[in-house]
Amino acid sequence: EPEVTQTPSHQVTQMGQEVILRCVPISNHLYFYWYRQILGQKVEFLVSFYNNEISEKSEIFDDQFSVERPDGSNFTLKIRSTKLEDSAMYFCASSQIGTGSYEQYFGPGTRLTVT
Amino acid sequence: QQQVKQSPQSLIVQKGGISIINCAYENTAFDYFPWYQQFPGKGPALLIAIRPDVSEKKEGRFTISFNKSAKQFSLHIMDSQPGDSATYFCAASIGRMGGADGLTFGKGTHLIIQP
Repeated sequence: EPEVTQTPSHQVTQMGQEVILRCVPISNHLYFYWYRQILGQKVEFLVSFYNNEISEKSEIFDDQFSVERPDGSNFTLKIRSTKLEDSAMYFCASSQIGTGSYEQYFGPGTRLTVT
Repeated sequence: QQQVKQSPQSLIVQKGGISIINCAYENTAFDYFPWYQQFPGKGPALLIAIRPDVSEKKEGRFTISFNKSAKQFSLHIMDSQPGDSATYFCAASIGRMGGADGLTFGKGTHLIIQP
């Protein structure tokens, strides 16, 4: 069964450093999303992406964040200058288009630890 | 208005019993309501979802009940098993055809099924 994959599974970085989290969405999906989950809390929407541009973003997704689809398979989330409060699980998700289906499928996540 | 309120925060059910988790929303523009199951260290996995044109949807032991006038929906797990022990999240979004709206999640319910 196709699945969303994410790398790395765990990233440790120092405050102020840039990090790039990578995702490979399900191959025939065209909508891509990033969410985060601070330990023990609910999952929060960050951004959605379609047709090489941001479709929707939340208040959390400020100028420190950016997304990119650098090639036909990868989807990345960049945090320019990490803060302690960026420590969280980051989940990538993808969904299909045109079938009336809004189902979003999540990857296993990248645990980001900012020290 | 974007919030989805979920209860209870934690739930203990005997094996074979019925687990019931409730969610309420305020934004009447929401029209897609999925439930996700999350095991520790894993990404949320789509369990079942409903659109507001039906009041109930059943898949195996899992049933969503939806009350549009009350703006409430619930997950029922029949014949609950120890393997169902996980955190369950309700979510909602505006399921526009061709849209890429992010999911708004509830805070989660930690379900424990006792053998």
